Amino acid sequence: DGGITQSPKYLFRKEGQNVTLSCEQNLNHDAMYWYRQDPGQGLRLIYYSQIVNDFQKGDIAEGYSVSREKKESFPLTVTSAQKNPTAFYLCASSIRRAGGNEQFFGPGTRLTVL
Amino acid sequence: LAKTTQPISMDSYEGQEVNITCSHNNIATNDYITWYQQFPSQGPRFIIQGYKTKVTNEVASLFIPADRKSSTLSLPRVSLSDTAVYYCLVRGSSNTGKLIFGQGTTLQVKP
Repeated sequence: DGGITQSPKYLFRKEGQNVTLSCEQNLNHDAMYWYRQDPGQGLRLIYYSQIVNDFQKGDIAEGYSVSREKKESFPLTVTSAQKNPTAFYLCASSIRRAGGNEQFFGPGTRLTVL
Repeated sequence: LAKTTQPISMDSYEGQEVNITCSHNNIATNDYITWYQQFPSQGPRFIIQGYKTKVTNEVASLFIPADRKSSTLSLPRVSLSDTAVYYCLVRGSSNTGKLIFGQGTTLQVKP
């Protein structure tokens, strides 16, 4: 059963701690993305990767870091430098098709800073 | 990436047809129009995509006029489970896959 998995579903962190969110896909997609969503708002792009061992900053990359060592995995680390990390985090992957890249999203991780 | 404008919210009743219009005045020649649906605390889900005229699938229809400066997502006979946020996006066929999500349209279906 192909898809995108994110773990954990809920995550609590103390201020000053780094935390890593997991994202795995078995769709054989080349591109992967991380978005942040705040209440009542749309999604904002944090980082994206079009190929293994390569990634680019999105619109709100400050305070976040990523790695892409394997095609299937694209973990996101929320560092202590991120001043307001409480949000809903969504991972996506995409395949190129006629008309652009349809993105498939994971179930999300809700991060709360205590 | 072209900017889109859509209503913040809409109300409907079960069994009615719902039409959500999106404006994209600066759409480029190679841009496609894509709609996503998002339920609370879930990731968005692709609904439909089109370039011109009309596209229909098992979920919705997408109407695009000749000038392509707007598009209308049509949901036939909505049910309570169609209550969600609907996002209209415009993107080129050769771009990096970056999507620009606005606030979307919150559709509330009432019994």
